[in-house]
Amino acid sequence: SSELTQDPAVSVALGQTVTITCQGDSIRSYYPTWYQQKPGQAPVLVIYGTNKRPSGIPDRFSGSSSGNTASLTITGAQAEDEADYYCNCRDSIGNLHYLFGAGTKVTVL
Amino acid sequence: QLQLQESGPGLVKPSETLSLTCSVSGDSISKNNYYWGWIRQPPGKGLEWIGSVYHDGSTFYNPSLMSRVTISVDTSKRQFSLRMSSVTAADTAVFYCAGHTGAAFDRWGQGTLVSVSS
Repeated sequence: SSELTQDPAVSVALGQTVTITCQGDSIRSYYPTWYQQKPGQAPVLVIYGTNKRPSGIPDRFSGSSSGNTASLTITGAQAEDEADYYCNCRDSIGNLHYLFGAGTKVTVL
Repeated sequence: QLQLQESGPGLVKPSETLSLTCSVSGDSISKNNYYWGWIRQPPGKGLEWIGSVYHDGSTFYNPSLMSRVTISVDTSKRQFSLRMSSVTAADTAVFYCAGHTGAAFDRWGQGTLVSVSS
């Protein structure tokens, strides 16, 4: 099956912009999604359909995709954005199979 | 608003079968084009999709787990369930149930920790 590759960790200064990426062949075929997970909590959907935000997600979160790489950008990072972020995509190997990346820990300095 | 709640034993012995149930409230379990899935997260590690079920009983499994996993749905009880056989310590994880479209897992339960230990 395919894999989704994420950098393990990134840091960003308060109020600055950070972009985290997710690479995988399945991203060429299916829309990537992104989830935020804070310690001890369930994941929360922050971006779907590459660049759509669910209701209640701040507009400082945005997504994009090109080729085999999806990106999540936080513009003007806030302290509450410190969390693990996981990308997710359907797997190109079969019907309704799903992949998750290993996650990126975002630290807001 | 759609809510999901996992339930089941928090401790399972090695080689036995793990059984969890997810109760759905706030919306129909028989929604069209909407699926019900299980995802697990070992302590300190990432998310792994286990499998999903549609309200008509159709199932989709992670190939790496499908030999040990059964997911079923009971629309009359508004529940769907996970059974994982022959568990080992490596199966210790927080198990989440979630609702999803074809593309996004947009509703998650709070998660339940299942430990595999004798």
